Amino acid sequence: DVKVTQSSRYLVKRTGEKVFLECVQDMDHENMFWYRQDPGLGLRLIYFSYDVKMKEKGDIPEGYSVSREKKERFSLILESASTNQTSMYLCASSDIDFGETQYFGPGTRLLVL
Amino acid sequence: AQKVTQAQTEISVVEKEDVTLDCVYETRDTTYYLFWYKQPPSGELVFLIRRNSFDEQNEISGRYSWNFQKSTSSFNFTITASQVVDSAVYFCALSEVRRGSARQLTFGSGTQLTVLP
Repeated sequence: DVKVTQSSRYLVKRTGEKVFLECVQDMDHENMFWYRQDPGLGLRLIYFSYDVKMKEKGDIPEGYSVSREKKERFSLILESASTNQTSMYLCASSDIDFGETQYFGPGTRLLVL
Repeated sequence: AQKVTQAQTEISVVEKEDVTLDCVYETRDTTYYLFWYKQPPSGELVFLIRRNSFDEQNEISGRYSWNFQKSTSSFNFTITASQVVDSAVYFCALSEVRRGSARQLTFGSGTQLTVLP
């Protein structure tokens, strides 16, 4: 079974703090993704990566950066957290086989005060 | 542009009733994939099924079945004899290559299904 894990289920941070959200997959998948999910706005793609050190902006990259130094790990970084970044963050991974089905982690609920 | 429409925002049924969740999509791609995901209250998105654009066979898995019709651009999901544990938000999604080399998902807005005991 595909396993995608995220470092925290719940996180509380202060405005202006630097925040790291970590995602690890154990299936040697090429592609990894970060989404945020907000009521009324659905799931929106922030960034994705199709190889180590390779990244592409998604639909809402502003205020975020990412890092992929190892194939299994994809980090989302909030350089200076703001209250409008309070959200549910979901990580996913996929491979070139099986229609690139995305498998999701459990999510991190981030609250920025 | 690709688009996925789930017109039903919320559905409530009584346990053991059958329920169908609708999904309509738009794409210019000739090769594409459609997906259904389940999101229970815990928050994790659980993959349920994938369909490619060349395979219009309906699929049944236990109480779940899917009806894919290219002629109407629909990919509907039916739960037979619903159970309380089926209560969740269900998302339909369409994959595309918009940027880079990885397929990205376009999600519908989701349907909240509540199954009452």
